Amino acid sequence: QSVLTQPPSASGTPGQRVTISCSGSSSNIGSNTVNWYQQLPGTAPKLLIYSNNQRPSGVPDRFSGSKSGTSASLAISGLQSEDEADYYCAAWDDSLMVEVFGGGTKLTVL
Amino acid sequence: EVQLVQSGAEVKKPGESLKISCKGSGYSFTSYWIGWVRQMPGKGLEWMGIIYPGDSDTRYSPSFQGQVTISADKSISTAYLQWSSLKASDTAMYYCARQEGTYGDYWGQGTLVTVSS
Repeated sequence: QSVLTQPPSASGTPGQRVTISCSGSSSNIGSNTVNWYQQLPGTAPKLLIYSNNQRPSGVPDRFSGSKSGTSASLAISGLQSEDEADYYCAAWDDSLMVEVFGGGTKLTVL
Repeated sequence: EVQLVQSGAEVKKPGESLKISCKGSGYSFTSYWIGWVRQMPGKGLEWMGIIYPGDSDTRYSPSFQGQVTISADKSISTAYLQWSSLKASDTAMYYCARQEGTYGDYWGQGTLVTVSS
């Protein structure tokens, strides 16, 4: 059971906009920034969004993040087939004193 | 170019010891924390712990404290993750990541550890 809660799956058709939610608590998302990672099949995770809504250099602006209270979300607009991957949210937890991850959301592009 | 290159896949028997490595290049290795993350087969990511190679300050997740040892040799820009007695449940992919603040901005390619009798 992951500390952060994500839906196990999401799907969309090319060109669509999809959102992935991430729910936590006051000790993690409520008091710290949220980061998102993309893991393409058979590869290492890659930083997608940091500090709630910042994109690293090279990440398309189709990807955006937001946070409100103890929840966060990742939005992907103009969905493309190459976006098919697992997406993980993460945040520092002040009570557990560890970085906690969501269980991951498998995105399927139909 | 920042790179983290991990050592190759390992196949071990239960009870054996193991040390895997993560070599950083393209940046000041002693100025960033390095974290280790476990991914068991078909499962999600788990944060194991971090080390600051500059002074070897190390923090562990309570879930992994006592189960693994994280170390670093700054003279060769390499971080390590080691086990003294492997179990079948240690079978997983292990990733290192450079920590920029609270997030891993660069990741190694992963080291697959298989523990089987």
